[in-house]
Formats: sequence, C-alpha cells, structure tokens
Amino acid sequence: DVKVTQSSRYLVKRTGEKVFLECVQDMDHENMFWYRQDPGLGLRLIYFSYDVKMKEKGDIPEGYSVSREKKERFSLILESASTNQTSMYLCASSLMSTGELFFGEGSRLTVL
Amino acid sequence: EDKVVQSPLSLVVHEGDTVTLNCSYEVTNFRSLLWYKQEKKAPTFLFMLTSSGIEKKSGRLSSILDKKELFSILNITATQTGDSAIYLCAVFHQTGANNLFFGTGTRLTVIP
Repeated sequence: DVKVTQSSRYLVKRTGEKVFLECVQDMDHENMFWYRQDPGLGLRLIYFSYDVKMKEKGDIPEGYSVSREKKERFSLILESASTNQTSMYLCASSLMSTGELFFGEGSRLTVL
Repeated sequence: EDKVVQSPLSLVVHEGDTVTLNCSYEVTNFRSLLWYKQEKKAPTFLFMLTSSGIEKKSGRLSSILDKKELFSILNITATQTGDSAIYLCAVFHQTGANNLFFGTGTRLTVIP
C-alpha cells in the first residue's frame, strides 16, 4: 500500500528556532512536494523536487529550504521560524508522468 | 496567470441531499484534472479526469470534465455525514516545473 510518512504530526516552536520537517515515501516516486495549507488559501506549494539533489521553488519558498539527499526522503527546513509560518504542512509524492499526488498525514506547526 | 477556482467555498446540506461542487480552471497545456477529499488528515485521491464528457463514478460520487468550457463538477448523491470534508480540485499541466495547481477547496458539511 502506498505510504507517505511525515515525521511529526504536531510541533510547537518558538520564534527564531530552526525547524526540520521530514517526509519519507516508499513508492519509489521521482517527485516530492511540500505544501502548506491555510484556511481560505488552500494548498500552496513551497518547494518540490523531481530527483535526488534537485529542487525547485514553488509559489511561496521564502523562509524555507529543502533537502533531498535520497530518493525516498524530502526534508523541509525553516532556518528561523516566524509566527507567520504557523500552518499545516503537507508532504506529497507522485510519479513523474501523472499528476496524482499521494499525501502524508500532515504536520501542524505552531510558532509562538 | 494559471488559476483554479472552486465554488462554493462552503456548503451545508442535510443528509440525503445531492450536492454539486464546481471547479473552473485557466491553465496552459492542460493534462488532467484531479479531485481530492480531505477530512481531518491528508487529502485522499478521488478521481483523475483527462477527457471531456466521460463521467467517472465511484459509489455515490461522480465527476465529469468539460475541456471546452474549462470546468469540472463533482456530484455527491444521497449525502451522508461521512461526506463532510474539504473537496480539493487540482489541475495538472505540462508547463514548467510547478505543474500542479490547487483550488482553495470547498468545505462540505452534511448535517443529520
């Protein structure tokens, strides 16, 4: 069965702290994505990766960075968390040839 | 500018009602349109539509795409409280690197 696993379901951090969100998929998908989801704004793409060590900015990359050292793992990094980064973060993966995304269960981050 | 617009933003119905959710889009190099259902956790895949006029059906849910008028509808008949969720529409296109656009979603609430 298809599985995308996000390491933390709930996090509470303080302003200025560094935050790592990890995502692992077991489907050998080329593409991996990080979205944030906010009420009224829907899903917004932060970064995505179409291969190991490859990354592309999405719609809202400011304040975030990513790392993809292995095909199955895609990490989202907040170097210095701010309160406006309080959100639900969703990781997803897909095959290169289709648009169908498989999502992780989400990580709800609160920055105080 | 590419965009995906869903309507209504929210909807409250009684059990047994039939609902129609709308998704219109403007994207270049359209490939497919996808519907997802999101309850409390991650979005789960419902349908992928690539051809106009061909209805996809799964139980009480069905969806159809009109590539001439650039929209899709998602129908749910005999709604149940378990249908309460956010329904997301996304369009997959073959331009550039960021090739999946999401609408903001429709929040459906089904009351007993």
